Amino acid sequence: DQQVKQNSPSLSVQEGRISILNCDYTNSMFDYFLWYKKYPAEGPTFLISISSIKDKNEDGRFTVFLNKSAKHLSLHIVPSQPGDSAVYFCAASEGYGNKLVFGAGTILRVKS
Amino acid sequence: ETGVTQSPTHLIKTRGQQVTLRCSSQSGHNTVSWYQQALGQGPQFIFQYYREEENGRGNFPPRFSGLQFPNYSSELNVNALELDDSALYLCASSWGPSGGNEQFFGPGTRLTVL
Repeated sequence: DQQVKQNSPSLSVQEGRISILNCDYTNSMFDYFLWYKKYPAEGPTFLISISSIKDKNEDGRFTVFLNKSAKHLSLHIVPSQPGDSAVYFCAASEGYGNKLVFGAGTILRVKS
Repeated sequence: ETGVTQSPTHLIKTRGQQVTLRCSSQSGHNTVSWYQQALGQGPQFIFQYYREEENGRGNFPPRFSGLQFPNYSSELNVNALELDDSALYLCASSWGPSGGNEQFFGPGTRLTVL
């Protein structure tokens, strides 16, 4: 039972362009959403989060959008840089400080 | 500020053996969560410890057990290892239920069961 789904296993984008990573969820009790980035041989690194009371959160080049009615969130990276090449995980939780439920990840490749 | 550290980095065991993995939480964090990441999948929640008590458990059998110590470091123990236990085991620390939802991950322990 995959409660968090990242349907695109990989994405390739040209340097300087926008990268859009998508995530869908099925559990309507999720109220907090996070994006993590993971390089090989390292643990996931927190990128950005959003609570269900918002529909957008921005941090520098990273913006997360939340569409609660569609149970969909997306991460926009503008402009994309080669150093952004990594695996991106979407995660969700019910309530504050509770277990994170992760998607399977999307491999982003930014070509220079 | 010291980040989350895990030991060992890599481990090879055989079926039926027992293993202990260790995690030191980030300075000031009182909550530790453990995740299992199989190849090609996202991390799966095993359990969480808050102030030395188990505070939530995922869908893992009882042979997966844990401890949290007064200094908030933690251990994950797995008994009667199975081939499917081969995975990257990630530890994450956080401020706890009232302190923030962002969990900070260590580099992981790669466990191979032969």
